[in-house]
Amino acid sequence: DTGVSQDPRHKITKRGQNVTFRCDPISEHNRLYWYRQTLGQGPEFLTYFQNEAQLEKSRLLSDRFSAERPKGSFSTLEIQRTEQGDSAMYLCASSLMVSGVNNEQFFGPGTRLTVL
Amino acid sequence: AQTVTQSQPEMSVQEAETVTLSCTYDTSENNYYLFWYKQPPSRQMILVIRQEAYKQQNATENRFSVNFQKAAKSFSLKISDSQLGDTAMYFCALMKTSYDKVIFGPGTSLSVIP
Repeated sequence: DTGVSQDPRHKITKRGQNVTFRCDPISEHNRLYWYRQTLGQGPEFLTYFQNEAQLEKSRLLSDRFSAERPKGSFSTLEIQRTEQGDSAMYLCASSLMVSGVNNEQFFGPGTRLTVL
Repeated sequence: AQTVTQSQPEMSVQEAETVTLSCTYDTSENNYYLFWYKQPPSRQMILVIRQEAYKQQNATENRFSVNFQKAAKSFSLKISDSQLGDTAMYFCALMKTSYDKVIFGPGTSLSVIP
């Protein structure tokens, strides 16, 4: 297994367009997290899944954002009607939760979104 | 609410020297986890070291060690024998339970100077 992968690595779009990002976690990991990181800042939590269930969403996740993990494997993050303020690095992380213990989160390389 | 503060936006250290990065946090939880993550330029975030709040002994991983002061809510990272590959952003982070999201600080940019 090569770790968490994200696609695309870079996305440039015009304001108002929709974009979708994909995250493939480490295969046996049941938890998947999305974070957003703006330049010079630490990652901010957006949402996370346990298998296919979305368990928590941050207030940062406006109605224009939606995330899915349909089969408990890969996940997608869609942003509708993008705004310039959505420009950021979107990070995905996965972890294995066993017997109530959540182990280390492994991060992907991120998708850098630029909204013109 | 959980918060993590890193008061040193940038630091530099000579190769082979020792440097300490500071972190303070706030949480109302009694049991939680603290982390230091490293993010090299244009590369993925990786976990450097982890500390469980119920453990009094400070965590150590090779050249990396922490000074965990629970009462003061302080969690500093010491890097010994600094190497050029240690150049990166370092994020202090908090996870309030074993099954929660991670709250990150704003980061400290560390440059190791040859």
